[in-house]
Amino acid sequence: KAGVTQTPRYLIKTRGQQVTLSCSPISGHRSVSWYQQTPGQGLQFLFEYFSETQRNKGNFPGRFSGRQFSNSRSEMNVSTLELGDSALYLCASSLGVNEKLFFGSGTQLSVL
Amino acid sequence: AQSVTQLDSQVPVFEEAPVELRCNYSSSVSVYLFWYVQYPNQGLQLLLKYLSGSTLVESINGFEAEFNKSQTSFHLRKPSVHISDTAEYFCAVSEAGSARQLTFGSGTQLTVLP
Repeated sequence: KAGVTQTPRYLIKTRGQQVTLSCSPISGHRSVSWYQQTPGQGLQFLFEYFSETQRNKGNFPGRFSGRQFSNSRSEMNVSTLELGDSALYLCASSLGVNEKLFFGSGTQLSVL
Repeated sequence: AQSVTQLDSQVPVFEEAPVELRCNYSSSVSVYLFWYVQYPNQGLQLLLKYLSGSTLVESINGFEAEFNKSQTSFHLRKPSVHISDTAEYFCAVSEAGSARQLTFGSGTQLTVLP
C-alpha cells in the first residue's frame, strides 16, 4: 500500500505570491491533517479535513486555507506569501478519529 | 488547550548506553500521548502511543514510555541504544477522543555516538 504522498517535494516562491500544496492520503483514509514545521515554532497544527469537511483549525491567519476532494486528496493554499511562511509542510492521513497518523515526507517551501 | 515541554533539546549518548528523553504536558482535559520520530529529510513516524489502559507502552524497536498522570509526564526510554536510533524525537498530546489534532513539543535530537 502506498504511503502518504506530498507534491511537490521542494518549492521556491517570492513574497506576495501564492502557493498550492498537494497531499494524497493512504488509500482508504478519509482524514487528512496539515502541519507546519519551522525551526523557531516547531510543529504546529494547521487544519484537518474529514470527508471533505474541515473539522479542526489551528491558529493561523486566513491566508492559509485548504480543501479536501471526494477522493480524499487534499490541497492547502497559502496566499500573499511572507518570508515567515518558509517551512516544511507535512500532511498526515488516518482512518478515523483515534487511529494513528501516517505522515508524508513533506513539502519544503522557501519564500524569498 | 494543551502544551508539551520537552526538557532536553539535545541528548548525546554512547552506543549501547541507556537513554531517557523527557516529556511533560499540561492539559485541563483527559489526553492521549504520543512519541514520534523524525529521520533527516523524512516525515514523522509514530513510535508509540498511550490512549488508555496500561500506563506502560512499548514499541517494536525497544523503546518504552510510561504515562504518569500525577507528574503529567510521558518520558521515553530505551535500555540500550544503537547508532540507527539517531534522530529527532517529538512528544505530542491530543485531547482524548481526537487523535488527529496534535500539539507537539519542540523536539529532542538524540545523537548516538560510536
